[in-house]
Amino acid sequence: AQKITQTQPGMFVQEKEAVTLDCTYDTSDPSYGLFWYKQPSSGEMIFLIYQGSYDQQNATEGRYSLNFQKARKSANLVISASQLGDSAMYFCAMREGLNQAGTALIFGKGTTLSVSS
Amino acid sequence: DAGVIQSPRHEVTEMGQEVTLRCKPISGHDYLFWYRQTMMRGLELLIYFNNNVPIDDSGMPEDRFSAKMPNASFSTLKIQPSEPRDSAVYFCASKTGTTKEELFFGSGTQLSVL
Repeated sequence: AQKITQTQPGMFVQEKEAVTLDCTYDTSDPSYGLFWYKQPSSGEMIFLIYQGSYDQQNATEGRYSLNFQKARKSANLVISASQLGDSAMYFCAMREGLNQAGTALIFGKGTTLSVSS
Repeated sequence: DAGVIQSPRHEVTEMGQEVTLRCKPISGHDYLFWYRQTMMRGLELLIYFNNNVPIDDSGMPEDRFSAKMPNASFSTLKIQPSEPRDSAVYFCASKTGTTKEELFFGSGTQLSVL
């Protein structure tokens, strides 16, 4: 079974609009972390935002926020006021067992976001 | 500070040849990860090291793949012999020992096996 599911292969949005990228996860570990990365066409992986399973509030980083719904096991990324430079592939990832520093990130298949003017 | 450094950025080789990918993690990072990215399978973990010791290599696809980390500042991923299905982008990433720390990725090596 997939641990991280991103059901939207592609999303299209106009500049200045908000967009939500979906991510659901599957784990039985009560201690985990959720990450979002951006991969522009140049190929590098850019860290955007982190949410811990015990964090009480949704994480925010500038125009990025994470809509964390623990009971639903979802961790959707919300980008407010989209910009042309937001066009990229976005990956949701999870690390289980946060007490163990070295467990690897498991990635979803990604969602391609296209922002038009 | 320099980030994770991978070389080469691009590698084109013929089937059957040996390929060696190189990675220099961020200084002070205790963990090093090798990922492979393809259109079909997305980002897959191949292997990771902690303090130069391999911890989990269950993602290494076959015996043709091997990885080493002889010291804290250098790791290699070797494919011998290479096959066309090995064509992918190979990423190296590193992190510190704290639990929340995100992975810092290198720029990747685009491997094409003809």
